Amino acid sequence: NAGVTQTPKFQVLKTGQSMTLQCAQDMNHEYMSWYRQDPGMGLRLIHYSVGAGITDQGEVPNGYNVSRSTTEDFPLRLLSAAPSQTSVYFCASSPRRDSNQPQHFGDGTRLSIL
Amino acid sequence: AQKVTQAQTEISVVEKEDVTLDCVYETRDTTYYLFWYKQPPSGELVFLIRRNSFDEQNEISGRYSWNFQKSTSSFNFTITASQVVDSAVYFCALSLGLQFNNAGNMLTFGGGTRLMVKP
Repeated sequence: NAGVTQTPKFQVLKTGQSMTLQCAQDMNHEYMSWYRQDPGMGLRLIHYSVGAGITDQGEVPNGYNVSRSTTEDFPLRLLSAAPSQTSVYFCASSPRRDSNQPQHFGDGTRLSIL
Repeated sequence: AQKVTQAQTEISVVEKEDVTLDCVYETRDTTYYLFWYKQPPSGELVFLIRRNSFDEQNEISGRYSWNFQKSTSSFNFTITASQVVDSAVYFCALSLGLQFNNAGNMLTFGGGTRLMVKP
């Protein structure tokens, strides 16, 4: 059982470049979300989705786009990378619309913007 | 808005010492859920425990124990007889009940506490 899979694990970009961070889960979870982790700030919510075709903004959405065309996939797009987006990105999913269920996290993508 | 504060940014102990990681939270909602996650040096996030706001019973799991006190809005985590393998960053997090909105399942994290256990 793969759980939540994130690709790539590492990426270096130049300022202004665009890229997509991939996230896939094989647990048929309704909820999926993206967080970024910065030193001393814990993880902060970027965007989330409660099901296919439905997305919404989190705490720090600027500079990022998401879409949810299938239950399994929830890609995160950086339209024009900026050094402030250097971070570790985590994708998470949870089994149903219930706060009592813990979120399952992927292993993270370490992104550096030069 | 919710807030989670982990005032201890780094803690260093010697193996076999007991250590308590503090977590203080803020929310105006009466229904919420509290979590602890562990992030070892390899970087992944490992779920440790969840607790809902209506259950103030303390919990023990092996060397781990959690003390939830609504009166002080705290959810502290104690490791008894620490081991080198406990070295990690530990995050406390909060989410709200879904009766309010779809974002209720999302997590608000504290800044994390880096625990270093020396042999």
